Amino acid sequence: KAGVTQTPRYLIKTRGQQVTLSCSPISGHRSVSWYQQTPGQGLQFLFEYFSETQRNKGNFPGRFSGRQFSNSRSEMNVSTLELGDSALYLCASSLAGTSGGYEQYFGPGTRLTVT
Amino acid sequence: AQKVTQAQTEISVVEKEDVTLDCVYETRDTTYYLFWYKQPPSGELVFLIRRNSFDEQNEISGRYSWNFQKSTSSFNFTITASQVVDSAVYFCALDYNNNDMRFGAGTRLTVKP
Repeated sequence: KAGVTQTPRYLIKTRGQQVTLSCSPISGHRSVSWYQQTPGQGLQFLFEYFSETQRNKGNFPGRFSGRQFSNSRSEMNVSTLELGDSALYLCASSLAGTSGGYEQYFGPGTRLTVT
Repeated sequence: AQKVTQAQTEISVVEKEDVTLDCVYETRDTTYYLFWYKQPPSGELVFLIRRNSFDEQNEISGRYSWNFQKSTSSFNFTITASQVVDSAVYFCALDYNNNDMRFGAGTRLTVKP
């Protein structure tokens, strides 16, 4: 079974630009979560989608948004990029979400650098 | 507050030593799930174990064992006879019934040959 894939793997953007990151979950998984990982803040929850609906959102500004498609693939978008958005963005999929006790499987991440 | 504390930022051991990684959590919920993940140098987080709040049985998987104690809100992870391949950052995480995973800051384990 193929794992979670994320594209692109690396991205360099300029302040003020916007970016879209993509995540393809494991086949059959309906829950997709996004996390931001930085050396200073660690792993922080961004949002979780299940069957195209956002079920929960972390404490991030509205510049961070996401969506999920009918095939469970998900995208996250960051508008008006700031230097502080430089981070590793991780996508994780699970059968039905961690609140059901389902473990998450993580992708390799997208390393975003904002200059 | 719902949070996870991993007080040990870095641990360094010599191969074959036993090592315990501490995890203390806070939650007001009675139903919750705890997880441990490993992040090797390659960067991809790997699921190790899940435990629900109603199951306090300890678990052993090969050289890995986990001790869950609700009385102290702890979910500690022990590696027996550590190996160089165990070198990684280990994260403890809590889901408190809202599909929102809270991760600890992680413990960087270095196993020297």
